[in-house]
Amino acid sequence: ILNVEQSPQSLHVQEGDSTNFTCSFPSSNFYALHWYRWETAKSPKALFVMTLNGDEKKKGRISATLNTKEGYSYLYIKGSQPEDSATYLCALPYGGSQGNLIFGKGTKLSVKP
Amino acid sequence: NAGVTQTPKFQVLKTGQSMTLQCAQDMNHNSMYWYRQDPGMGLRLIYYSASEGTTDKGEVPNGYNVSRLNKREFSLRLESAAPSQTSVYFCASRGTGGLPLHFGNGTRLTVT
Repeated sequence: ILNVEQSPQSLHVQEGDSTNFTCSFPSSNFYALHWYRWETAKSPKALFVMTLNGDEKKKGRISATLNTKEGYSYLYIKGSQPEDSATYLCALPYGGSQGNLIFGKGTKLSVKP
Repeated sequence: NAGVTQTPKFQVLKTGQSMTLQCAQDMNHNSMYWYRQDPGMGLRLIYYSASEGTTDKGEVPNGYNVSRLNKREFSLRLESAAPSQTSVYFCASRGTGGLPLHFGNGTRLTVT
């Protein structure tokens, strides 16, 4: 089974700060990496699915990069806003791109106004 | 635009009681999943169904059963609830081609 590690576990930033966090995974047998955003009392929502080494994806102020050779992905948030407060999950499929997703424990981001 | 619909949203059970969590999706997805979320543990897969008519165990299947009633519906049953099954349960579905999961809004279950 895959070992998907996320760091830090939690993060507190001020409104306007830029921040980033990490998802680490075994570099062998890589198929894809998913990022999800999970707001309190809601359901997780997909942000990005990344498949290629060197991939960079962007949605508004949120972007992600992928390094499959060294086994990590960074999620960046530029100019954090209170509405960015959420838990950010990464997940990787096991045994193929359509395989069951193995989730990390998440990074909980709190943005203070 | 319903997506994945889960019922109920909240449930309190006594130890030994049984219940079924219902899940339906309207996106014509082949794959459906049941996860549980516990503090400090992340999302863990209980059971999944890769297509209509098939079900398989995930990481934490003990104490649960599932039924893939048709392509739309995937239910999770607790035959004899235990306090260790107190958790938030999420149903999810997924299309083919490595697409992301779509989650329901969750069921918060407490077993006393």
